[in-house]
Amino acid sequence: EDQVTQSPEALRLQEGESSSLNCSYTVSGLRGLFWYRQDPGKGPEFLFTLYSAGEEKEKERLKATLTKKESFLHITAPKPEDSATYLCAVQANNDMRFGAGTRLTVKP
Amino acid sequence: DGGITQSPKYLFRKEGQNVTLSCEQNLNHDAMYWYRQDPGQGLRLIYYSQIVNDFQKGDIAEGYSVSREKKESFPLTVTSAQKNPTAFYLCASRTTARGSNEQYFGPGTRLTVT
Repeated sequence: EDQVTQSPEALRLQEGESSSLNCSYTVSGLRGLFWYRQDPGKGPEFLFTLYSAGEEKEKERLKATLTKKESFLHITAPKPEDSATYLCAVQANNDMRFGAGTRLTVKP
Repeated sequence: DGGITQSPKYLFRKEGQNVTLSCEQNLNHDAMYWYRQDPGQGLRLIYYSQIVNDFQKGDIAEGYSVSREKKESFPLTVTSAQKNPTAFYLCASRTTARGSNEQYFGPGTRLTVT
C-alpha cells in the first residue's frame, strides 16, 4: 500500500536557524512528489513538484530535493513568516497520498 | 481572478441532517477532488471526478455523495449516514494536461455537527 511519512511532526527553530523536513514514501510508479504549505484554517498552497530522483527545486528560502525513497524540504535562514504546516504528497495513478505534515514554528 | 471557492467557510448542523458543501472553480480544470482533514492526519480522499457526469469513490466515501453536472462545480453532500462528520473539508482541482499533476486547493469549509 502507498504510504507517506513526514518527520518530525513538529519543529521549532530560531529565526535564521536552517533545517530540513523529511518526507519518506513507498509507492509503486511514482508520478510526482508534491510539497504544500498550509496556514492554520486555510487550504494548502502549492510549492513544488518533483518527478525524478536527483531533481531539485528552489523558491526563496525553500529548496526541495528528491531521492528514490524520500524528499527533503530544506529551509535556509527561516523567518517567522515561514511558520506553517508543510505537507508532502505523492501521486501514483489517479490519486494523491498525503503525509500528516510537519508543523514548523520559527521564533524571532 | 482564477481560483477555487468554497462556501461557506464555517457550517454548523445538527446530527441527522444532510448538508451540502459548495466548491466552484474558474481555472478550467477537468479534475476535481474532495478531501477531509482531521487533526494529526494526512488529507484523506473522499471522492474525485475526472470529467463532467463521472466521479469515483476515494478511500472514505461512505456517508458522502457528490455530483458533477458542470465542469466548474463539484458539490459534496455529507449525509446523516456519516458517523463522524465534524472535520475540515477541502476541495481541489487539477488540469489533466500532460506534465502538470499538481492539485490546487480551495480555502476549505469547517463543518461542525452536534
